[in-house]
Amino acid sequence: RKEVEQDPGPFNVPEGATVAFNCTYSNSASQSFFWYRQDCRKEPKLLMSVYSSGNEDGRFTAQLNRASQYISLLIRDSKLSDSATYLCVVTFKAAGNKLTFGGGTRVLVKP
Amino acid sequence: DTAVSQTPKYLVTQMGNDKSIKCEQNLGHDTMYWYKQDSKKFLKIMFSYNNKELIINETVPNRFSPKSPDKAHLNLHINSLELGDSAVYFCASTAPGNIQYFGAGTRLSVL
Repeated sequence: RKEVEQDPGPFNVPEGATVAFNCTYSNSASQSFFWYRQDCRKEPKLLMSVYSSGNEDGRFTAQLNRASQYISLLIRDSKLSDSATYLCVVTFKAAGNKLTFGGGTRVLVKP
Repeated sequence: DTAVSQTPKYLVTQMGNDKSIKCEQNLGHDTMYWYKQDSKKFLKIMFSYNNKELIINETVPNRFSPKSPDKAHLNLHINSLELGDSAVYFCASTAPGNIQYFGAGTRLSVL
């Protein structure tokens, strides 16, 4: 089993709709969690950190479920500009806080 | 004023050649990384340096040699390039909380 797994998609989303997807991690001692966004042929950029209590940033909501070992990202009122690959990132304290990236979930928002 | 800059952006070369990629950050961070993103889009850590000292070396062939002359620079030299080295190489600078700021990437094609 991979350390960090994501559904590669693509998730085809009508503009204005809500889309949500998860990322599972295998190490229960995982320390920190992030969502990054990567546009085609560009570098990844931090979208948001994921806190234990869940957090929201505008149309984006991230949640952490430690019991089931997954994090989620929900995008409300999808815009065409939300089309991108969303990378889940997990750090493991025992590995010196080394970052492990998921393979990414591709989201395509269509008019 | 780019925070993390990599050069060159594109690199096309023949098998067996030696090439270098340079990375510089002006964010004042102590830790920098090299990542490889292959054709399947998986982003994998190759090396990490903290204040010029190697702290992570992820089972990378010793044809790859990172060098950090100072904490603002992390270069990557690759000897005897192979077809499988074709990928996008990203440099990143690490902020507190393990937030990664990526360079724009170097797209390496080995022919």
